[in-house]
Amino acid sequence: DTEVTQTPKHLVMGMTNKKSLKCEQHMGHRAMYWYKQKAKKPPELMFVYSYEKLSINESVPSRFSPECPNSSLLNLHLHALQPEDSALYLCASSQGGQGNQPQHFGDGTRLSIL
Amino acid sequence: RKEVEQDPGPFNVPEGATVAFNCTYSNSASQSFFWYRQDCRKEPKLLMSVYSSGNEDGRFTAQLNRASQYISLLIRDSKLSDSATYLCVVNSGGYQKVTFGTGTKLQVIP
Repeated sequence: DTEVTQTPKHLVMGMTNKKSLKCEQHMGHRAMYWYKQKAKKPPELMFVYSYEKLSINESVPSRFSPECPNSSLLNLHLHALQPEDSALYLCASSQGGQGNQPQHFGDGTRLSIL
Repeated sequence: RKEVEQDPGPFNVPEGATVAFNCTYSNSASQSFFWYRQDCRKEPKLLMSVYSSGNEDGRFTAQLNRASQYISLLIRDSKLSDSATYLCVVNSGGYQKVTFGTGTKLQVIP
């Protein structure tokens, strides 16, 4: 059982749709992350939030918009996505934001763009 | 040279065998190291952190060699359920992001 919960598990959307991915953790972690993972590749970092502030944006296109409403929640708003954005989107959290604590992953949202 | 390198495998080993993977890293300032396992179409799951003195958790042993800049994972008495991709993860000290290796695929055969 994962302590990081992501919804939805699967999402199919058209290129003109707007949707949001949600992530929640109740471990009191202060850093939260969004990753994108393509088949047979390692996860690629997209965003890091530390103490509810965006601290890293890995040059992600603006069609992906993160939001951290509070220390337990992390959203990823999607708009006008491209077919190449189809991937597994993983949320993770860690106790601190320095990278020296292990990250705990949710089970991901599998996104398909038509 | 990649920041974190792993042999992609696959390593095909019989049940009960001992298998070891290495992971090399290029940044000598790296301070934190982790092994994750990832099953097909699932999320990465933390297997163990790697400490300077080495550490063991049941059948799994992790070692760090700072001089040669690699970490290793040893699995004893392999089980079918150990079949997965093993990801090496390295943090370069003081930064908020970690670098993932490309993973080593292990297949334990009956």
